[in-house]
Formats: sequence, C-alpha cells, structure tokens
Amino acid sequence: SYVLTQPPSVSVAPGQTATISCGGNNIGSKKVHWYQQKPGQAPVLVVYDDSGRPSGIPERFSGSNSGNAATLTISRVEAGDEADYYCQVWDSSSDHVLFGGGTKLTVL
Amino acid sequence: QVQLVESGGGMVKPGGSLRLSCAASRFTFSDYYMSWVRQAPGKGLEWLSYISSGGSTIYYADSVEGRFSISRDNSKNSLYLQMNSLRAEDTAVYYCARVALVSQDAFDVWGQGTMVTVSS
Repeated sequence: SYVLTQPPSVSVAPGQTATISCGGNNIGSKKVHWYQQKPGQAPVLVVYDDSGRPSGIPERFSGSNSGNAATLTISRVEAGDEADYYCQVWDSSSDHVLFGGGTKLTVL
Repeated sequence: QVQLVESGGGMVKPGGSLRLSCAASRFTFSDYYMSWVRQAPGKGLEWLSYISSGGSTIYYADSVEGRFSISRDNSKNSLYLQMNSLRAEDTAVYYCARVALVSQDAFDVWGQGTMVTVSS
C-alpha cells in the first residue's frame, strides 16, 4: 500500500524558512494537501493541490511537489507557526485517503 | 461562519457500539462530499471513511471496514458514523471534515472533534 513519509520534527529560528518534506513513490503524480494542527485544536488546511492556498492562509505558506517528494515551505517563520503539520493524498489505487505521520515544527 | 459540530462521543466497553453525528451549518451540505477522520491520543491523523454528496459512493479505511458505517441525511444537514464492535484501539478524537469543492479530496472545514473512549 502507498505510504507517505514525513520527518518527525523540524526546528527553525524565527524569521527563517522552514521546509517540511513528504515522501512517497512518484508522489509528483498525485495532488498533495497540507494541514496545520495546533495542540487541542482541529487541523486547518494550509495548502491544497500541491501549491494552492485557501482563503485566509498567509502567503508565507507555500507548497511544491515533484518526483518522490512534496514540500511545504513556511517563510519568515513566526512563533505562532509552531504546530504539527500533516501531508495528505488520495490514493486512487485503493480509493483511500492517506495522511503522512506528521511533522512537529518547533520555533526556537 | 461555516461550521461542523460533532456529537455522540463518550465511553463505551469493548465490543460495544456508538453513533456519532456531525451537524453542518451555513453551507449547502448536500453539495459536498464528507469524511470522518480520527486521532488517537498523541498520534497522527487517520482517515476513516468518505461519502459522496448524494451518498451513493462510500469508501472505508481497512481498519474500520465491516465495523463502521458512514451515512448522511441531507434533509437534516447531518453526517453520521455508526461504530460497532469497538476496540480499545478505536479510542480517539473523531472529526468530521468537509471535502473542498475546489480540490475534490482536500478537507477544507473540520469540526472540533468528539472523544470516543473504549475501555472496560
């Protein structure tokens, strides 16, 4: 079955750029979505279809997808960006939604 | 604003059943596909089930196939998850989520979640 692999943790200093990867076999052929989840809260969609940004999401959040890895990039990181981030795809071979294991972003 | 509110969670013994509800408001519920997603304590997100706008197309994760059943009542703007043969590993926060029209499989609106605890 298809598997999405994320690093468990990423650390970044305020004002710097954070990159969170999501690996999968030929993931570039799929549409990847990204969610932010803060403690005790429901997830929030921050990027859809690889690089789309929902209304209300800052331009600092961007995404890309090619080959075997998709990437969420957060520019000019703020303390409020500290959260867990999950990637997600639709696997058409199984008709299942799949989530990555999640990445904890720590702002130093 | 657009809202999803889950209810029906609680504590149940192993082997028991529970029915979760999700009430939608401030959007045309019948236009949207919907899903259930859960999160065990301290763990990541796990997709459970997906239902089309009219209810004719349904998918389940392998972990709940045959035990859980998703349904919807568009006249009541409500989504349901019937959970049978519950196990300790089903303990989690259960979220309902709306599938975005713009994307077809991204979840653009989530409820606040309802906790289900399976314990003897």
